[in-house]
Amino acid sequence: QLVLTQSPSASASLGASVKLTCTLSSGHSTYAIAWHQQQPEKGPRYLMKLNSDGSHSKGDGIPDRFSGSSSGAERYLTISSLQSEDEADYYCQTWGTDIQMFGGGTKLTVL
Amino acid sequence: EVQLVESGGGLVQPGRSLRLSCAASGFTFDDYAMYWVRQAPGKGLEWVSGISWNSARIGYEDSVKGRFTISRDNAKNSLYLQMNSLRVEDTALYYCVKGSEYGSSSFDYWGQGTLVTVSS
Repeated sequence: QLVLTQSPSASASLGASVKLTCTLSSGHSTYAIAWHQQQPEKGPRYLMKLNSDGSHSKGDGIPDRFSGSSSGAERYLTISSLQSEDEADYYCQTWGTDIQMFGGGTKLTVL
Repeated sequence: EVQLVESGGGLVQPGRSLRLSCAASGFTFDDYAMYWVRQAPGKGLEWVSGISWNSARIGYEDSVKGRFTISRDNAKNSLYLQMNSLRVEDTALYYCVKGSEYGSSSFDYWGQGTLVTVSS
């Protein structure tokens, strides 16, 4: 069964870097995912598509501070030079034939 | 500029029906799969349904199968979600979402959402 697992929360200091993790279920380690950001009281925004080899393509206007990487079944979103507006919920998403799946989301707090 | 504008939400009693619409602009609508995603108050994102560019492939989340029907009109650049037999647990903000490819794929643009409240 296709499942995405994310830690419920993360925190990091203003100006620092943070690495968020999304883990694919067993047998699905080659799947690509996408990362989406949802700032408080706003709709989600697409950040990037991330492939199993770590290559990624970002959405329109996404700053260079956002990058992605992969290792096995894990997919990472790294945000560097954290800013206050990066405080948000981050969701990973993947897809199969006629099905889509979201992780539970990670709430990022910028200290 | 890609724009996705949802409409049709509102307050409805359990067991009744509602039809959501999404008007798309700024891209070649019939080149891409389209989706509905919902978010219950204070909860995470949940995929509801998706439809391929030519309506040949359609998928539903298990809890809405048999109750919801997705459709699209490529001539009108519009996506629809017919929701029947609504339940209290269908209460959510419903987003229209653009796929990045013609078939099952990542999502790359989101609408602002339309609120559906199911309550007696």
